[in-house]
Amino acid sequence: AQTVTQSQPEMSVQEAETVTLSCTYDTSENNYYLFWYKQPPSRQMILVIRQEAYKQQNATENRFSVNFQKAAKSFSLKISDSQLGDTAMYFCAFMASQGAQKLVFGQGTRLTINP
Amino acid sequence: IAGITQAPTSQILAAGRRMTLRCTQDMRHNAMYWYRQDLGLGLRLIHYSNTAGTTGKGEVPDGYSVSRANTDDFPLTLASAVPSQTSVYFCASSDFAGQGLNEQFFGPGTRLTVL
Repeated sequence: AQTVTQSQPEMSVQEAETVTLSCTYDTSENNYYLFWYKQPPSRQMILVIRQEAYKQQNATENRFSVNFQKAAKSFSLKISDSQLGDTAMYFCAFMASQGAQKLVFGQGTRLTINP
Repeated sequence: IAGITQAPTSQILAAGRRMTLRCTQDMRHNAMYWYRQDLGLGLRLIHYSNTAGTTGKGEVPDGYSVSRANTDDFPLTLASAVPSQTSVYFCASSDFAGQGLNEQFFGPGTRLTVL
């Protein structure tokens, strides 16, 4: 069974700073996908970024980028030039590439961007 | 385009009562999922359905049942609610194609309190 661990329950930074959220996972699969989801106070789950394990290049989406270290089973999220609207819960998630597309989530990190 | 709708938005329920959470999607996705979100645990998969007429168990299926009579609807039933089922419930859907990455889209969630 796969597990996903987010070791930072809460983080807080000043607006415009860069922040990195940590995520590690455990799996025996070789092919899989990794995701970061954002959950603002509205409760809506929003996909931020995704990474396919067979791709060595780290995914980027505007101010969001990941540092994917397959051997270390690490998948951190970097938010550059943080904005007040980035305040949210962030969840790291794993999906095996074979079989049913079941997401396995980490515990979440509550990120607060201060003005 | 509504995407995924869930009903009710929130509910307070007496222990021992039966409750059905409704989920409807209008994206013609073939796969649907139910997750529960609990503080410190992230989201955990309860049940899923890869296509109409089929269902499967997720990580925490006990005490819950689902049905998938058609493509659009995926109700979740608690036959006899218990306080440990107090949670926020999310329905999701994706265009599952057997293999490959298909984004899961989430509904707005249902907050359920069992007293």
